[in-house]
Amino acid sequence: AQSVTQLDSQVPVFEEAPVELRCNYSSSVSVYLFWYVQYPNQGLQLLLKYLSGSTLVKGINGFEAEFNKSQTSFHLRKPSVHISDTAEYFCAVIGAAGNKLTFGGGTRVLVKP
Amino acid sequence: DTAVSQTPKYLVTQMGNDKSIKCEQNLGHDTMYWYKQDSKKFLKIMFSYNNKELIINETVPNRFSPKSPDKAHLNLHINSLELGDSAVYFCASSQDNSYRAPKFFGPGTRLTVL
Repeated sequence: AQSVTQLDSQVPVFEEAPVELRCNYSSSVSVYLFWYVQYPNQGLQLLLKYLSGSTLVKGINGFEAEFNKSQTSFHLRKPSVHISDTAEYFCAVIGAAGNKLTFGGGTRVLVKP
Repeated sequence: DTAVSQTPKYLVTQMGNDKSIKCEQNLGHDTMYWYKQDSKKFLKIMFSYNNKELIINETVPNRFSPKSPDKAHLNLHINSLELGDSAVYFCASSQDNSYRAPKFFGPGTRLTVL
């Protein structure tokens, strides 16, 4: 079974500053990793995913994440945030042969002007 | 032009009642899901359908019954509602089932059982 830990429940950040959201997972097998974003009053949508290949994955809206197998991490980054990036961000993992996506508890990003 | 829509958005009901939540996606996706989000915001898969066939059925009470009349719709019916069923329920969809992760979620249905 997999588990996901998002270490920060809330991250305040100023507009145009960089942001990093931390995600660590535990699994005894190969995994696929995902980040989702939930804007206020909307459903979640897939931001980016790591399935295989290059460990640096680029997603929508200027976000990127790096898969680090040795540290079992998949941290999400953006070099310069906008007010519109205010949202809840969820990390998720699934075993490559599994069928159940496991989510972290979410990180709320609040971008301040 | 909403991608995944759910109705109702809010549902307040008494214990013991039966209720349904409807979900529709207009993306042409083959796979649809139901997730439950608890009070600590953790999302857990309940069911998944691929082309109207049930492919994931997690350990949920059999009071919960999904129904997929066609691949654009996946409804959730709940019998004999209990206090512990209070949560936010999300419908979701993806193009296929290859990596078993949704691409889009609906806005959620907040169910409150009194």
